[in-house]
Amino acid sequence: DAKTTQPPSMDCAEGRAANLPCNHSTISGNEYVYWYRQIHSQGPQYIIHGLKNNETNEMASLIITEDRKSSTLILPHATLRDTAVYYCIVRGSNTGNQFYFGTGTSLTVIP
Amino acid sequence: DTGVSQDPRHKITKRGQNVTFRCDPISEHNRLYWYRQTLGQGPEFLTYFQNEAQLEKSRLLSDRFSAERPKGSFSTLEIQRTEQGDSAMYLCASSWELYTGELFFGEGSRLTVL
Repeated sequence: DAKTTQPPSMDCAEGRAANLPCNHSTISGNEYVYWYRQIHSQGPQYIIHGLKNNETNEMASLIITEDRKSSTLILPHATLRDTAVYYCIVRGSNTGNQFYFGTGTSLTVIP
Repeated sequence: DTGVSQDPRHKITKRGQNVTFRCDPISEHNRLYWYRQTLGQGPEFLTYFQNEAQLEKSRLLSDRFSAERPKGSFSTLEIQRTEQGDSAMYLCASSWELYTGELFFGEGSRLTVL
């Protein structure tokens, strides 16, 4: 079952940074934080994942707090195509290495 | 396109009928997953295969559901005696690496039971 807490919805102005928070206070030392997004009527799409250090790729940046109890996904310059549901997932041996999705954050990018 | 493909994309059936969905994973991926998603909810894990072996099944997977992955390639998910509560999007995903490997999802098969 999901071990994360996310706000149900957020808005962001087009061109601005979107910062999506996630709480995972019960995360274990060997568990990774993954982020996926799902655009309406499509399958979820992998964005990024990390263990301890901050990570960046062409899509986003992932900031994980030092105690690893929370993280933030940053979309540096949000576009209308970033409107989607964003899922934060904790995955590791405690979850049987499975991906358990919660209800995510519905991000709306406003023109 | 070498991504995960699912067929059919949409299926409308009457209650009590059997339906079967097919998933073709990315060819080099050895793990295949099935999820179910209902409106407003995140995907729910149903089952997964490593090669041809079905290694885990969720309690959500009732006796009316059966999944196979013969020869460790494509997979089928069959629902027998469908009920209206089975109406959902059925998502397939595949992956390669055991621990850090991300899932690659297909577009899903939407089932409507009348």
